[in-house]
Amino acid sequence: AQSVTQLDSQVPVFEEAPVELRCNYSSSVSVYLFWYVQYPNQGLQLLLKYLSGSTLVKGINGFEAEFNKSQTSFHLRKPSVHISDTAEYFCAVSDPKKTSYDKVIFGPGTSLSVIP
Amino acid sequence: GAGVSQTPSNKVTEKGKYVELRCDPISGHTALYWYRQSLGQGPEFLIYFQGTGAADDSGLPNDRFFAVRPEGSVSTLKIQRTERGDSAVYLCASSLKGGASAFFGQGTRLTVV
Repeated sequence: AQSVTQLDSQVPVFEEAPVELRCNYSSSVSVYLFWYVQYPNQGLQLLLKYLSGSTLVKGINGFEAEFNKSQTSFHLRKPSVHISDTAEYFCAVSDPKKTSYDKVIFGPGTSLSVIP
Repeated sequence: GAGVSQTPSNKVTEKGKYVELRCDPISGHTALYWYRQSLGQGPEFLIYFQGTGAADDSGLPNDRFFAVRPEGSVSTLKIQRTERGDSAVYLCASSLKGGASAFFGQGTRLTVV
């Protein structure tokens, strides 16, 4: 079964500094990968997804992630963060080989705190 | 509606009672998912509907949990004989035809006392 590891439970970063949130998944022949964001008191929102093709994926709000098959990683990056980026970030994976659309497995989340 | 709607937003119930949690997906979305999120953890998959049928219910923790979607739109998650360990935020999501580009509701916070 697929699993997702997010090694950093909390990441504090100063405003306008770059940030990287790490995600590793259990190996598989192929995977779909996702990053979701959960702002305080709001529902989960899809930031970006990798299904196939280019390994560098661009998402909303200036975020991007790079799929690295050899390292089974899908780290999320932003070159300059804003206060409004303070939120919980979840990496997620699903198996595209299942006959019906598969469930999405979420990691434990990383809490990003942007410091003014 | 404009988004996924979940009611109630908060539910407090006594141990042993029965509860129902409702999800109104985005109109036209055939896929509907239920997840459970405990404090400090990521969402945990419970069940996935494609239309009226449960395509995957492997995440339901035990037979106290049951979900229905009789007309392929609104879904109800039912929990019998609630236990304190059932306390969590229950999330619902829907997507156009199945896929992780799902839209999530704001969840129902269930507290069992």
